[in-house]
Amino acid sequence: GEDVEQSLFLSVREGDSSVINCTYTDSSSTYLYWYKQEPGAGLQLLTYIFSNMDMKQDQRLTVLLNKKDKHLSLRIADTQTGDSAIYFCAVMDSSYKLIFGSGTRLLVRP
Amino acid sequence: ETGVTQTPRHLVMGMTNKKSLKCEQHLGHNAMYWYKQSAKKPLELMFVYSLEERVENNSVPSRFSPECPNSSHLFLHLHTLQPEDSALYLCASSQGRGLDRETQYFGPGTRLLVL
Repeated sequence: GEDVEQSLFLSVREGDSSVINCTYTDSSSTYLYWYKQEPGAGLQLLTYIFSNMDMKQDQRLTVLLNKKDKHLSLRIADTQTGDSAIYFCAVMDSSYKLIFGSGTRLLVRP
Repeated sequence: ETGVTQTPRHLVMGMTNKKSLKCEQHLGHNAMYWYKQSAKKPLELMFVYSLEERVENNSVPSRFSPECPNSSHLFLHLHTLQPEDSALYLCASSQGRGLDRETQYFGPGTRLLVL
């Protein structure tokens, strides 16, 4: 079945760019998602990309998809302290099930 | 965000208690989901309902019993739980099943502690 991997932790300085990486195994994945979870809260949908796209930009967020390497990344420009959270990569498999990574904890230092 | 609401937000229960978690979506969606989020583990999909019919049950113990009376409401009935069932239980909804209608929107979760 699908397996989704993320690094556990990222620390950046306020104002820098953050890049959170994700790899997956199922090449038939159709939609790929990024969710954000703040402490004590549920998952907030940030953005998603369809598998026939290479890049999607939405304000400070840029999603890059490398289908050949099965690699997805989320870049946050001008990272703010309010961006501190856990970021989950999720991939829809061939049976329309969302498979989540374990999440990357982003810490933004003032 | 108020698209998907969950109550209660926090719940403490003993192993012999019976309680229910409630989820309500205000998005006009037709599919609803229960997930379990435990510390240091990926999200686990528990149940999926589509048009009020259960379409997926991922080997969840029978002490968890879902109910979907209509497309806006989803319940998770709990009885004789174990301490290892302590977790954040997340509800989600999507427009439907299949490709672009699968984008899932999550509620804030119910933090459950079983003593």
